[in-house]
Amino acid sequence: DAGVIQSPRHEVTEMGQEVTLRCKPISGHNSLFWYRQTMMRGLELLIYFNNNVPIDDSGMPEDRFSAKMPNASFSTLKIQPSEPRDSAVYFCASSSRQDHYEQYFGPGTRLTVT
Amino acid sequence: GQSLEQPSEVTAVEGAIVQINCTYQTSGFYGLSWYQQHDGGAPTFLSYNALDGLEETGRFSSFLSRSDSYGYLLLQELQMKDSASYFCAVKSNYQLIWGAGTKLIIKP
Repeated sequence: DAGVIQSPRHEVTEMGQEVTLRCKPISGHNSLFWYRQTMMRGLELLIYFNNNVPIDDSGMPEDRFSAKMPNASFSTLKIQPSEPRDSAVYFCASSSRQDHYEQYFGPGTRLTVT
Repeated sequence: GQSLEQPSEVTAVEGAIVQINCTYQTSGFYGLSWYQQHDGGAPTFLSYNALDGLEETGRFSSFLSRSDSYGYLLLQELQMKDSASYFCAVKSNYQLIWGAGTKLIIKP
């Protein structure tokens, strides 16, 4: 298996622009997680999907952030409008385990908003 | 509230043994996971303890004491490639609660 795939790997954009991050989970995994990692705040869970359904989005910072999972093999995280404080590495992870303790992370998208 | 505490940095010598501790305070507890993350990389799963005791996987071992809300990761025969950040994470309800990570610095 190719593992979790994320695109783009790097994104540089100007404040106010829309940013869309993409994720393809490992085939057969029914749970998908979006995380954000910064030096100041560490690794934060943004949203969790189970069987394509959003279960908990309490970690989404504000209405500027939205996430979708239209099918089992694809998810997007959108930021509109982007702000400099959104600069971070965004990871997508998937898990096949019911208890989620073993998660497989994608390589991440390093987002820089200027 | 929910919190995990681990040292921010640990330094050790190549070939030595190092222990990274993790204490937790969570509303629910199902187990303790450990992940490794190299600079510029993604977290990768190392081990999981649901029950008290020691789990060994090669040079790495992980320990859990539920009564003490405490666990540790033990790395033996340290190699330079073990230089990375190590995160403990508690399985609480449906999600993982993550520690801030411990940066392991290995000196030759």
